[in-house]
Amino acid sequence: AQKVTQAQTEISVVEKEDVTLDCVYETRDTTYYLFWYKQPPSGELVFLIRRNSFDEQNEISGRYSWNFQKSTSSFNFTITASQVVDSAVYFCALTTDSWGKFQFGAGTQVVVTP
Amino acid sequence: ETGVTQSPTHLIKTRGQQVTLRCSSQSGHNTVSWYQQALGQGPQFIFQYYREEENGRGNFPPRFSGLQFPNYSSELNVNALELDDSALYLCASSSGAEQYFGPGTRLTVT
Repeated sequence: AQKVTQAQTEISVVEKEDVTLDCVYETRDTTYYLFWYKQPPSGELVFLIRRNSFDEQNEISGRYSWNFQKSTSSFNFTITASQVVDSAVYFCALTTDSWGKFQFGAGTQVVVTP
Repeated sequence: ETGVTQSPTHLIKTRGQQVTLRCSSQSGHNTVSWYQQALGQGPQFIFQYYREEENGRGNFPPRFSGLQFPNYSSELNVNALELDDSALYLCASSSGAEQYFGPGTRLTVT
């Protein structure tokens, strides 16, 4: 069985602070894909980043960065210098199927105040 | 925008009724997945269609059914609506592991 845990229910920060979102996953498969999605109040899920199980290289993309550690089954996501527009619910998701069928976490609400 | 569209945007139904939700996938995507997102929760996988055939199903009862058409658009049908079916229903089209989600249909069952 697969499971994604996002222990943080809500994080509140002041603009320009960094925000790190935690994600812990469980799967018995050796090939899998991890994702982060953003869901603003409008409801549409916006794709942010993807990592596959064979690539533990951590990267930075603009204000976003991620830390993928297979040893601890974690896939954490950081927003640097947060902005009010970053306010949304962020979901971590796991799939072992190359065509999708995601297992989502419960989400973390990020509130950025001016 | 992802190119995935859903209709209607909002819908109110009465318990026991039936509902059909529609999704147009992104051009070139032959796989469509449906998710149910209850308030305050993460999306739950309902089922997936690949080239008009069901290709996997989550833990949802048979009254949740679907179709995929030759142009890869899709429908989600829910019979005998229950109050707990009130949720945001998301459609996602994919080509490979990346999925692109539509804006969702907000269903309220009273």
